[in-house]
Amino acid sequence: KAGVTQTPRYLIKTRGQQVTLSCSPISGHRSVSWYQQTPGQGLQFLFEYFSETQRNKGNFPGRFSGRQFSNSRSEMNVSTLELGDSALYLCASSLDWVTRDTEAFFGQGTRLTVV
Amino acid sequence: GENVEQHPSTLSVQEGDSAVIKCTYSDSASNYFPWYKQELGKRPQLIIDIRSNVGEKKDQRIAVTLNKTAKHFSLHITETQPEDSAVYFCASGGTSYGKLTFGQGTILTVHP
Repeated sequence: KAGVTQTPRYLIKTRGQQVTLSCSPISGHRSVSWYQQTPGQGLQFLFEYFSETQRNKGNFPGRFSGRQFSNSRSEMNVSTLELGDSALYLCASSLDWVTRDTEAFFGQGTRLTVV
Repeated sequence: GENVEQHPSTLSVQEGDSAVIKCTYSDSASNYFPWYKQELGKRPQLIIDIRSNVGEKKDQRIAVTLNKTAKHFSLHITETQPEDSAVYFCASGGTSYGKLTFGQGTILTVHP
């Protein structure tokens, strides 16, 4: 069974630009969560999607948004990039948090560098 | 909101020794506690987890204990090997869709 796949692996963007990251969950998993990982703040929750609906959101500005498609693939978008957005962005897939199938498996991440 | 404190931040042991990492959580409603291992440049990998209805869980050289009253849980690695060297993260969750709250991580170094 294929794992969680994130594309692209690396991105370099300029301040003010926008970026879209993609995450394909494990087959059969319907919940996709996104996290930002930085040396200073660690792993921080961005949002979670299930059946194309955002069910939960962390404490990030509105420049961070996402969506999920009918095949459970998810994208996150960051608009008006700032230097502080440089980070490793990880997505995690799970079966379903409602039924307590909460084991979360991470993708390899997308390393975003804003210059 | 939920907060998870993890200690120590770095841990250095000799091969064959045991290693213990401790975490404390703040939300008494949390019911799911996973541990992840992250090697340099790689994804966090789930190595063991425990739910609030269980006090201890073991998988070969790895064990996790949970004390709900004190709101803390610990990872125990016995007979450490150099390949155990990595950053270990604890997390808590189960009360909020898709959200795990992570500790700050422990850099474990196992010296041959």
